Amino acid sequence: GQQLNQSPQSMFIQEGEDVSMNCTSSSIFNTWLWYKQDPGEGPVLLIALYKAGELTSNGRLTAQFGITRKDSFLNISASIPSDVGIYFCAGRGAGTASKLTFGTGTRLQVTL
Amino acid sequence: GAVVSQHPSRVICKSGTSVKIECRSLDFQATTMFWYRQFPKQSLMLMATSNEGSKATYEQGVEKDKFLINHASLTLSTLTVTSAHPEDSSFYICSAGKQGELFFGSGTQLSVL
Repeated sequence: GQQLNQSPQSMFIQEGEDVSMNCTSSSIFNTWLWYKQDPGEGPVLLIALYKAGELTSNGRLTAQFGITRKDSFLNISASIPSDVGIYFCAGRGAGTASKLTFGTGTRLQVTL
Repeated sequence: GAVVSQHPSRVICKSGTSVKIECRSLDFQATTMFWYRQFPKQSLMLMATSNEGSKATYEQGVEKDKFLINHASLTLSTLTVTSAHPEDSSFYICSAGKQGELFFGSGTQLSVL
């Protein structure tokens, strides 16, 4: 199946640092979603974006829907150890029943 | 957020047996549910779309006779891995949509011996 390019693939950061990751696609999406997945668990929705240019925050997390509708980024400020996990972006085309396409994931590890 | 319950969380079975995985939307009705497969350190790959009251739609390369999907009610979809083999060992995750957002179950780790 199709996948979105997500970068970086993995990152090691120190507690307290800010983190930035992004997702790019060759296709236009109408919805961007960001998920976090812990080992052995299903993904948990962090932020949903519905409009080009939209900037949405959820606590220390901020995500933006790119103006071209082909990209999105996620920022995590002042990282803490529990931020460790895999972050996936996902995009959906026109129509709410359209399937989600997932990014390749960014593995985040936070050191004390 | 909405709650999607998936059961069992882990199953170990012998080669040749069939395994059924249940996915329930606990606080909303879902006419459509999705089944994904995830290999270690990889992204989620959509296997099929489960449609309440009608046949599931399978992605290219996914054998419908191998992965039987039943969506008999608005809150329950089941995936049955028939005649499981070691190569079917994987993490299977279901999801259901509510108001444009997709919520996931906690996943089922299938190990076929």
